[in-house]
Amino acid sequence: DTAVSQTPKYLVTQMGNDKSIKCEQNLGHDTMYWYKQDSKKFLKIMFSYNNKELIINETVPNRFSPKSPDKAHLNLHINSLELGDSAVYFCASSEEVPGQGLNTEAFFGQGTRLTVV
Amino acid sequence: AQSVTQPDIHITVSEGASLELRCNYSYGATPYLFWYVQSPGQGLQLLLKYFSGDTLVQGIKGFEAEFKRSQSSFNLRKPSVHWSDAAEYFCAVAGYGQNFVFGPGTRLSVLP
Repeated sequence: DTAVSQTPKYLVTQMGNDKSIKCEQNLGHDTMYWYKQDSKKFLKIMFSYNNKELIINETVPNRFSPKSPDKAHLNLHINSLELGDSAVYFCASSEEVPGQGLNTEAFFGQGTRLTVV
Repeated sequence: AQSVTQPDIHITVSEGASLELRCNYSYGATPYLFWYVQSPGQGLQLLLKYFSGDTLVQGIKGFEAEFKRSQSSFNLRKPSVHWSDAAEYFCAVAGYGQNFVFGPGTRLSVLP
């Protein structure tokens, strides 16, 4: 019954490798996000998709590429991993409030702890 | 652009004591405001939210928050803290562009 699920939960990999993190939500939400949480717990948005369309693309290296095959899935692919990519990555989803241009609360996955060695 | 500040990086309280975590936001219109809690190794769980109406909102686990437009604040309170409340707490604002902006978080420690 998990609302937002992301896999894997832990990912340890070497510099230079390419890896993917998968995210799925079963809430029927239109909007999905990727957030990065650094070692100081600061949460920063990376990408936002609404109905499979890219809405927000913050200043993120081109090595990060989101893919949304349908509105229930938003995967994150990372090329040429660097030490600085080590962080916890959270997937989230929310529902748009009709006519308001704002969204209701975000539901978060459990996070993927990425460690680049 | 919207922003959120949480002035206290770390707060320590004794079990049974009252708690107030501060949050100030910057937003050009009526905001949607949220408090989330993150336990170690876990995702973020919504404690409560404010969209409109009554400025005092009740949440889960005995938490409440008060929206004060004049002070651009949305402080979180709990009358009696339990050891299990030790966690990281994040205030957030929903902004245009379907984005959520989070504060830097306040780490709560609870003394027995």
